[in-house]
Amino acid sequence: DQQVKQNSPSLSVQEGRISILNCDYTNSMFDYFLWYKKYPAEGPTFLISISSIKDKNEDGRFTVFLNKSAKHLSLHIVPSQPGDSAVYFCAASHTNSGYALNFGKGTSLLVTP
Amino acid sequence: DTAVSQTPKYLVTQMGNDKSIKCEQNLGHDTMYWYKQDSKKFLKIMFSYNNKELIINETVPNRFSPKSPDKAHLNLHINSLELGDSAVYFCASSQGFGGTQPQHFGDGTRLSIL
Repeated sequence: DQQVKQNSPSLSVQEGRISILNCDYTNSMFDYFLWYKKYPAEGPTFLISISSIKDKNEDGRFTVFLNKSAKHLSLHIVPSQPGDSAVYFCAASHTNSGYALNFGKGTSLLVTP
Repeated sequence: DTAVSQTPKYLVTQMGNDKSIKCEQNLGHDTMYWYKQDSKKFLKIMFSYNNKELIINETVPNRFSPKSPDKAHLNLHINSLELGDSAVYFCASSQGFGGTQPQHFGDGTRLSIL
């Protein structure tokens, strides 16, 4: 059963605008959340993370928001750039799983000039 | 100076064969993982090793056997390959176990079973 869900398989955004990628999870034991970016024929690259004790974490153009009551997190990219075009994976983990990552199926982001 | 490297990048073989995928990390990490990405692009954990000790062993057929000769290497051996084993296999590493350090991934090994 899939515990991390990314319900939008794709998203298209104009350069300079905000990209918002969403992620939902079902396991309330998850206490660490990450976003990974993946280009074709490459492995996932870590982007940003957030602990369950926080509700926001910011790193440059990337901000992750966590709403624990809704079991929802989102990644905001502002401003979006063409180089941001990639597949974005949401992942979650918890102590009892040895911090193995549970991944969503990914959202393919296309940033158009 | 690739951080996590996997070999081979592509592996095409016939059903019933035995094959190995190698993974090495030069980050000084003490925890390594194997993930499988199936045809639906779903990435799923298979194994995790911490300081050469098996920590996580998800529901994976026992035809799959990980081996960690040292902290920098985690190899995956697969016996009697089946069509359903066709996938991309990713190795990853992180520092510390049970911590919140992000995992670093290799570029994957695409395994195709004929």
